[in-house]
Amino acid sequence: IAGITQAPTSQILAAGRRMTLRCTQDMRHNAMYWYRQDLGLGLRLIHYSNTAGTTGKGEVPDGYSVSRANTDDFPLTLASAVPSQTSVYFCASSTGPLSGANVLTFGAGSRLTVL
Amino acid sequence: GQNIDQPTEMTATEGAIVQINCTYQTSGFNGLFWYQQHAGEAPTFLSYNVLDGLEEKGRFSSFLSRSKGYSYLLLKELQMKDSASYLCAVSDSNYQLIWGAGTKLIIKP
Repeated sequence: IAGITQAPTSQILAAGRRMTLRCTQDMRHNAMYWYRQDLGLGLRLIHYSNTAGTTGKGEVPDGYSVSRANTDDFPLTLASAVPSQTSVYFCASSTGPLSGANVLTFGAGSRLTVL
Repeated sequence: GQNIDQPTEMTATEGAIVQINCTYQTSGFNGLFWYQQHAGEAPTFLSYNVLDGLEEKGRFSSFLSRSKGYSYLLLKELQMKDSASYLCAVSDSNYQLIWGAGTKLIIKP
């Protein structure tokens, strides 16, 4: 079934630990995104990639890094987790921002708790 | 700054009609999106408006007025499964999506 797979589904980790959230899509979409969703706030863009080999910073990039070595994969790394990074993380993909209606397809989300 | 406003929560009765409003102030405009998000799940696409007017899709319709910076999502013949959060998002001049905080819709029997 075509779509986006995120892993892990949920994770509890200690502050200061390194963590990578995985995201894979099989729709051959050019663009991929990482968002965080916190109660009472809209989705906030962390990082994005409009095409393989390129990445850009979103609204809240500090403490996070990404890479886009190929079309399908877009991992998000927290180098040294802090409690304020406790959130639900959504990976999304689309055909690209210049392709008319840039409809995003979202993964199921990764719930991260940093203690 | 850029801003999307929508009500935090609304309640409606099964079988009725509900209108969820969204007002926006953004640097440029390249379309407005509505997404549905059930609790604990991912957002899913509902509608896209780039020109003024009404777009109808089954029980759901979405309206846009660019001059007023205003949109609404109209849900008819409400069903219990429509209980969800509805997210409004605007594509700005850089084609980046600006998201509202979402409107939680509670449907009562």
